[in-house]
Amino acid sequence: DTAVSQTPKYLVTQMGNDKSIKCEQNLGHDTMYWYKQDSKKFLKIMFSYNNKELIINETVPNRFSPKSPDKAHLNLHINSLELGDSAVYFCASSQASGNQPQHFGDGTRLSIL
Amino acid sequence: QKEVEQNSGPLSVPEGAIASLNCTYSDRGSQSFFWYRQYSGKSPELIMFIYSNGDKEDGRFTAQLNKASQYVSLLIRDSQPSDSATYLCAVGYKSAGNMLTFGGGTRLMVKP
Repeated sequence: DTAVSQTPKYLVTQMGNDKSIKCEQNLGHDTMYWYKQDSKKFLKIMFSYNNKELIINETVPNRFSPKSPDKAHLNLHINSLELGDSAVYFCASSQASGNQPQHFGDGTRLSIL
Repeated sequence: QKEVEQNSGPLSVPEGAIASLNCTYSDRGSQSFFWYRQYSGKSPELIMFIYSNGDKEDGRFTAQLNKASQYVSLLIRDSQPSDSATYLCAVGYKSAGNMLTFGGGTRLMVKP
């Protein structure tokens, strides 16, 4: 059983398109996250979300938006894709209380043509 | 701005040796410290976490935390070629929605 699953694994699309990446966790965690890992392998937090609040990294363009239909899902929507959006996007989840460890999905490699 | 620094490496050690990976962080309000291992093309995998000053051991891995010096390290005893990977240090701040700040990672190479 996959704890944190993301789809699709690979996403190839053209500049200007709108795309979504889905994430689901079956760990019963109450907080989910999105990270971006660029070509230099630097992993940066984009969003932290639980049912009470959304925290956005101030460096994230507003073309990126998380959508959570329920506690087990946090999808990432990206509008007007740009070349610089090419990266691997990781979803993660944890219990929010007590700084619990985060568990990562397998990642989605996004390539913009 | 919160910063987490790691030497990018590569750190090369012979099989069976102790590998020592280091990480420094800038924010004294940091409360939680994590080590993740990432193989090429794979997702980060949690190795250790530590919240209090001192050492924490789990099998061949020992995490060491010194909050006064703002320093956290990971020791890998009896290093194996399968330990060759990039090791990511991550620091958490409770007031920031449990978001983690990651260092750039240290690439470890264990040579047979």
